[in-house]
Amino acid sequence: GAGVSQTPSNKVTEKGKYVELRCDPISGHTALYWYRQSLGQGPEFLIYFQGTGAADDSGLPNDRFFAVRPEGSVSTLKIQRTERGDSAVYLCASSPHGVGGETQYFGPGTRLLVL
Amino acid sequence: DQQVKQNSPSLSVQEGRISILNCDYTNSMFDYFLWYKKYPAEGPTFLISISSIKDKNEDGRFTVFLNKSAKHLSLHIVPSQPGDSAVYFCAASDRVRATNKLIFGTGTLLAVQP
Repeated sequence: GAGVSQTPSNKVTEKGKYVELRCDPISGHTALYWYRQSLGQGPEFLIYFQGTGAADDSGLPNDRFFAVRPEGSVSTLKIQRTERGDSAVYLCASSPHGVGGETQYFGPGTRLLVL
Repeated sequence: DQQVKQNSPSLSVQEGRISILNCDYTNSMFDYFLWYKKYPAEGPTFLISISSIKDKNEDGRFTVFLNKSAKHLSLHIVPSQPGDSAVYFCAASDRVRATNKLIFGTGTLLAVQP
């Protein structure tokens, strides 16, 4: 039983660069979520995967953000042309089936700093 | 548009006393509410939840109360312990009309003084 893991734990990049953030959910969990937590705020929903497909991407702020989960386990959040406002902690969570009321288990997050 | 609000950024309580953390919401479609606890450099950890059909749920030292008419919920911790010092997030979801995404408040930093 390992928990949700995220890599890297910290990422520093320059404005305009491309970054990829990885999430390894709990084994067997079909539902995977990405959230973003800015300083002084609570986590903000970005996208939800059920298996390989994005069931809800309504939280992605713009088309610079994209996420994939090609085999239904590991997910990658991709940010193109990073901006300073993208600096935040990116949190990944997973749950067994994705049904309402299931506990979501969070990883430790990736701290992204865009200079 | 902040649908879940935690108006107290911080709270300080003496060890052994009761901690009461408050949360307000605006969306009447929310039907499930949760409290998460977060230590520095860690992800949020689920603490306790309550369905909108209930007004109270208890788990050991933690009790969550829901007042639907006031759109208000609170988390009571009794007795408070120094290890409870963390940021507490209130979250809500609309299980029927929406996916299982959670809407979080801004958090309350609880400090339990020994």
